[in-house]
Amino acid sequence: RKEVEQDPGPFNVPEGATVAFNCTYSNSASQSFFWYRQDCRKEPKLLMSVYSSGNEDGRFTAQLNRASQYISLLIRDSKLSDSATYLCVVNPSTGRRALTFGSGTRLQVQP
Amino acid sequence: GAGVSQSPSNKVTEKGKDVELRCDPISGHTALYWYRQSLGQGLEFLIYFQGNSAPDKSGLPSDRFSAERTGGSVSTLTIQRTQQEDSAVYLCASSLAGGRDTQYFGPGTRLTVL
Repeated sequence: RKEVEQDPGPFNVPEGATVAFNCTYSNSASQSFFWYRQDCRKEPKLLMSVYSSGNEDGRFTAQLNRASQYISLLIRDSKLSDSATYLCVVNPSTGRRALTFGSGTRLQVQP
Repeated sequence: GAGVSQSPSNKVTEKGKDVELRCDPISGHTALYWYRQSLGQGLEFLIYFQGNSAPDKSGLPSDRFSAERTGGSVSTLTIQRTQQEDSAVYLCASSLAGGRDTQYFGPGTRLTVL
């Protein structure tokens, strides 16, 4: 089983739609969670951290469910510019301090 | 300020040759990471440097891979006797102090082994 699993998509949605991605992680001791965004042929960039209480940044809302070991990202009022791959990222806290990246979920917002 | 830079941006080499990839982290960042990303895949952790501590090499796929970080700044990833399966984008990231700190990625080096 992969440490971090995501539905690869693609999710094809019209502009203005609300779309949600889920991600599951296997290490229950994981401490830190993030969503990164990666545009085609570009490097990943931090979109937002995910906090236990859930957090919102504009049109983006992230949630963490420790009991079920999943993280979600909700995007409201999708824009064409939201088209990208969204990477679920976990700090496994097993001594190695590098992050574990999921394979990403591809989002395509259509006009 | 300047972000993470990597060179070369593209590298084409023949199977069996050695290659060196360079990463210049953001000034003042003590943590440096190497990852690789194969086509359509997620990022695979390779190695992690934190200050003067011994590097975490747990992600290196074979002994053909090695990395150094000189003077706590610039890092070089070396792949010896390259194989076709080494073809990937090699990404370097740095963060202020590791842990939860945001990782800032360089643009990557696209390695093609013929």
